[in-house]
Amino acid sequence: GDSVTQMEGPVTLSEEAFLTINCTYTATGYPSLFWYVQYPGEGLQLLLKATKADDKGSNKGFEATYRKETTSFHLEKGSVQVSDSAVYFCALSNRDDKIIFGKGTRLHILP
Amino acid sequence: NAGVMQNPRHLVRRRGQEARLRCSPMKGHSHVYWYRQLPEEGLKFMVYLQKENIIDESGMPKERFSAEFPKEGPSILRIQQVVRGDSAAYFCASSPSPSYEQYFGPGTRLTVT
Repeated sequence: GDSVTQMEGPVTLSEEAFLTINCTYTATGYPSLFWYVQYPGEGLQLLLKATKADDKGSNKGFEATYRKETTSFHLEKGSVQVSDSAVYFCALSNRDDKIIFGKGTRLHILP
Repeated sequence: NAGVMQNPRHLVRRRGQEARLRCSPMKGHSHVYWYRQLPEEGLKFMVYLQKENIIDESGMPKERFSAEFPKEGPSILRIQQVVRGDSAAYFCASSPSPSYEQYFGPGTRLTVT
């Protein structure tokens, strides 16, 4: 079945460092891909999405490009801030009714 | 426009009791999804409902779990005879249509003692 694999955390970086969180997927057809962010004690917020190959999703300085040839959707940010500390989930939707999530990557940004 | 609301935010139950989790979707949203997040895990799909109908319950455990979304009122996820393994965060999401973005609520954290 469809699945998402993302790098395990926690990831600890200093403020202003470059961030990459790797994500690869297995799916039939052409899924939509997402990154969600979960701040402590809160629900999930959609960070960005891409619906077809070579699309780039971007929001709040974060970017991810839908790479069908490598089945990847890596999350990047050029300069992280302390406020970016959260858990990040890579996810896909290959049908209308459910989203399949990776296990999440906890990110700690040190001031 | 208020977001997806879930209550209670925290729920403690003893083994064998029943847990009822409520989800009020965003205004105008008639599609509701329930997900479960076990500690240090991602979210796992449980069930997808439209008003008065269960569309997909492929992620629901076969026993003790049920869900409904009545014509009036919130969606309810019901867990009978809870066990320690049911301790998790349960998230609800809603959307105006199945192909549209899902908006998540803050979750209900269930602890079974």
